[in-house]
Amino acid sequence: SQQGEEDPQALSIQEGENATMNCSYKTSINNLQWYRQNSGRGLVHLILIRSNEREKHSGRLRVTLDTSKKSSSLLITASRAADTASYFCATDNPAKNYGQNFVFGPGTRLSVLP
Amino acid sequence: DTEVTQTPKHLVMGMTNKKSLKCEQHMGHRAMYWYKQKAKKPPELMFVYSYEKLSINESVPSRFSPECPNSSLLNLHLHALQPEDSALYLCASSHVGRGARELFFGEGSRLTVL
Repeated sequence: SQQGEEDPQALSIQEGENATMNCSYKTSINNLQWYRQNSGRGLVHLILIRSNEREKHSGRLRVTLDTSKKSSSLLITASRAADTASYFCATDNPAKNYGQNFVFGPGTRLSVLP
Repeated sequence: DTEVTQTPKHLVMGMTNKKSLKCEQHMGHRAMYWYKQKAKKPPELMFVYSYEKLSINESVPSRFSPECPNSSLLNLHLHALQPEDSALYLCASSHVGRGARELFFGEGSRLTVL
């Protein structure tokens, strides 16, 4: 069953523009993570935000978390063609299996056009 | 060394074959995971091993049989698979514990069942 749900499902932007992806989830969480996946490859961890944090930055990435709305957003600034990939949020449910049950949202497919 | 290595990268098998997928990590992680990913879908959790013991089985059919022979290795034995089992199989590892943990993924084994 899915815990996180992203929108939009697909996003196409021009190089240099900002890309914003949203994730909603259903249960309480310990933390929320964002991963990136290039086509047919493994997932790469981008950033983790804990449930007691509201915003976090890493390079061109900015993540926000609103636990009252059970939602998070990932902002990629000044996008590059190399940012073209699928982006997934992942949450753990601390009430289930000590939070080992990482569940991924459906993902956003980002296309950055040169 | 921050790599998770999966072999083989590609596997084609018939429905009566027996094959195995292998995963290896040397990061000292004591949690290892198998995920299944269909095209344009998020990874779905199959199994989690914690300290070499199976801690989560997400109601996976018995034709998939996991094995964790030691803290660095994780296998997935395949027998009598169906064509709908064709997918990308991803291995991941992480530290164990209630704190924030990121998953480190391998590049996956792409399985085709004929």
